[in-house]
Amino acid sequence: DAGVTQSPTHLIKTRGQHVTLRCSPISGHKSVSWYQQVLGQGPQFIFQYYEKEERGRGNFPDRFSARQFPNYSSELNVNALLLGDSALYLCASSLEWVTGELFFGEGSRLTVL
Amino acid sequence: GEDVEQSLFLSVREGDSSVINCTYTDSSSTYLYWYKQEPGAGLQLLTYIFSNMDMKQDQRLTVLLNKKDKHLSLRIADTQTGDSAIYFCAVGNNDMRFGAGTRLTVKP
Repeated sequence: DAGVTQSPTHLIKTRGQHVTLRCSPISGHKSVSWYQQVLGQGPQFIFQYYEKEERGRGNFPDRFSARQFPNYSSELNVNALLLGDSALYLCASSLEWVTGELFFGEGSRLTVL
Repeated sequence: GEDVEQSLFLSVREGDSSVINCTYTDSSSTYLYWYKQEPGAGLQLLTYIFSNMDMKQDQRLTVLLNKKDKHLSLRIADTQTGDSAIYFCAVGNNDMRFGAGTRLTVKP
């Protein structure tokens, strides 16, 4: 069975640009969460979506937005990129809203120049 | 202070046991997790424990939870060189908080 898949795996943008990151959850999983991992730190929670509704939002500016589609895949959008947005963006999927079995993808590494 | 704290480094000899410790502040977490991250990779779920349990064993892994002291530990028995990685403790419900990670180095 396929795990959590994310695209693109790597990308380079310049300050002020916009980026869209994509995530396909494990088949049957209804919840998708997004995390930002800056080099040398632990991941930080950005959003959780469950059954296409936002169920949680971390301490990130409004430049960050996300949505979940009817097939449970998800997009994370970041506008007006800053150098500090350079990070590994991780998507996690789970069957339910709160669960012990939360599985992560390999991430999308964003570099902002 | 930080929500989740871990020591940054641990070095052991191959075959020894490794114990990685974690303290947290949020006592409302339903589940507490341990993840492994190898260089350039995503997070691999190693194990998790439900908050009303004290211990969980899964092959070489043993998780201990002390809710009174808000302390979580991960013991890896018979540590191998392939266990070298960064280990993250995480707590929360739908919004997980991670520690900064413990870099485990296993020497042959």
